[in-house]
Amino acid sequence: QSVLTQPPSVSGAPGQRVTISCTGSSSNIGAGYDVHWYQHLPGTAPKLLIYDNNYRPLGVPDRFSGSKSGTSASLAISGLQAEDEADYYCQSYDSSLSVPFVFGTGTKVTVL
Amino acid sequence: EVQLVESGGGLVQPGGSLKVSCVGSGFTFSGSAMHWVRQASGKGLEWIGRIRSKADRYVTAYAASVKGRFTISRDDSKNTVFLQMESLKTEDTAVYYCSRPSPGSGSYMDVWGKGTTVIVSS
Repeated sequence: QSVLTQPPSVSGAPGQRVTISCTGSSSNIGAGYDVHWYQHLPGTAPKLLIYDNNYRPLGVPDRFSGSKSGTSASLAISGLQAEDEADYYCQSYDSSLSVPFVFGTGTKVTVL
Repeated sequence: EVQLVESGGGLVQPGGSLKVSCVGSGFTFSGSAMHWVRQASGKGLEWIGRIRSKADRYVTAYAASVKGRFTISRDDSKNTVFLQMESLKTEDTAVYYCSRPSPGSGSYMDVWGKGTTVIVSS
């Protein structure tokens, strides 16, 4: 069971804006650790989408944006496109665990 | 182009062993730590382990779910990182990915392979 909780699914029509939450606690996001986001299509390599809470790697469209506040973080996708249908995971660090990296539970984005 | 390519997956019986590999190219492999992450069917991503570079004495770390059964090693002369899996269980069935931690902070993974599939079944 991950310490970072995401909604199992979100959906939206093309062109709409959707947001995915990543809820943590005082030992991870709330402790000030950065949050990163990945996009994953089955059978492919996961792709870094957002790093350090709100930075996009080169090549990632500005339709994707990230934010962090308190013990939570969010990924927003604006102008939703069919190609955005994928699984999305947040990732951070948790000081209460013996392992350095934790992923969120994952969210399936469906484009209606 | 920075690239990671995994290989060596396959079918293995419960209790058996398997060693998978990951070859890196397009970056200074010897100077980078490397991670292994897996995804079981219908499940999310699970970080399972990491090996640091020679400069950091090849220190390893493992998730509790695999500690004592899995071993990560590397051969920098071949730009390769290995995941040796022992005492395999059906719940180890997954796609196994290697990934590179970000240069600098190392707090996220900026390059991933496409994965290799391990099936543990009798």
